[in-house]
Amino acid sequence: GQQLNQSPQSMFIQEGEDVSMNCTSSSIFNTWLWYKQEPGEGPVLLIALYKAGELTSNGRLTAQFGITRKDSFLNISASIPSDVGIYFCAGPWDSGGSNYKLTFGKGTLLTVNP
Amino acid sequence: SQTIHQWPATLVQPVGSPLSLECTVEGTSNPNLYWYRQAAGRGLQLLFYSVGIGQISSEVPQNLSASRPQDRQFILSSKKLLLSDSGFYLCASRRSMNTEAFFGQGTRLTVV
Repeated sequence: GQQLNQSPQSMFIQEGEDVSMNCTSSSIFNTWLWYKQEPGEGPVLLIALYKAGELTSNGRLTAQFGITRKDSFLNISASIPSDVGIYFCAGPWDSGGSNYKLTFGKGTLLTVNP
Repeated sequence: SQTIHQWPATLVQPVGSPLSLECTVEGTSNPNLYWYRQAAGRGLQLLFYSVGIGQISSEVPQNLSASRPQDRQFILSSKKLLLSDSGFYLCASRRSMNTEAFFGQGTRLTVV
């Protein structure tokens, strides 16, 4: 089945630092999605990418859809304590038209020290 | 936008008891629906997905089943719970194959 490799698994940073995380896949994706999950809640969509090479921002967050369609990254600039949470990449696996399955990376746990 | 309702929010059940978790969706029709399980706050494991009423695809063999009796209703069930069924269960909805998914608030299940 489709696998998404997300790294790093965890990050401990100081408030104000920039953060970068990425995902790679073994198959081509048509869509890359980035989510944030806080304890006890469901994941919330941050950014959706639909086109290879696309670069999209949402406030201090920036994400890009890799040109090969097999990777994506998420950057957070000038981190603040409320950025704490688990960040997931996700995408529907394009397997010749059967892309109902939405696969998630294992997540990046972000801790921000004030 | 879509709203996904899940209930209950928390549940404590004894081993061997039955389970029924319900998910309903507002704001869209004919969505693709998903059940995920998350253990220890990490990693979302896809359990079931459905592309229409009565159509269920299972991703992993397990002690659980799913049903979709109505277009915007997705139910996760078990006849006899195991300790290993404990976890955080999330329902998600997508309008079509290439759009983003939206999640409910989740159900924390503890089997004792």
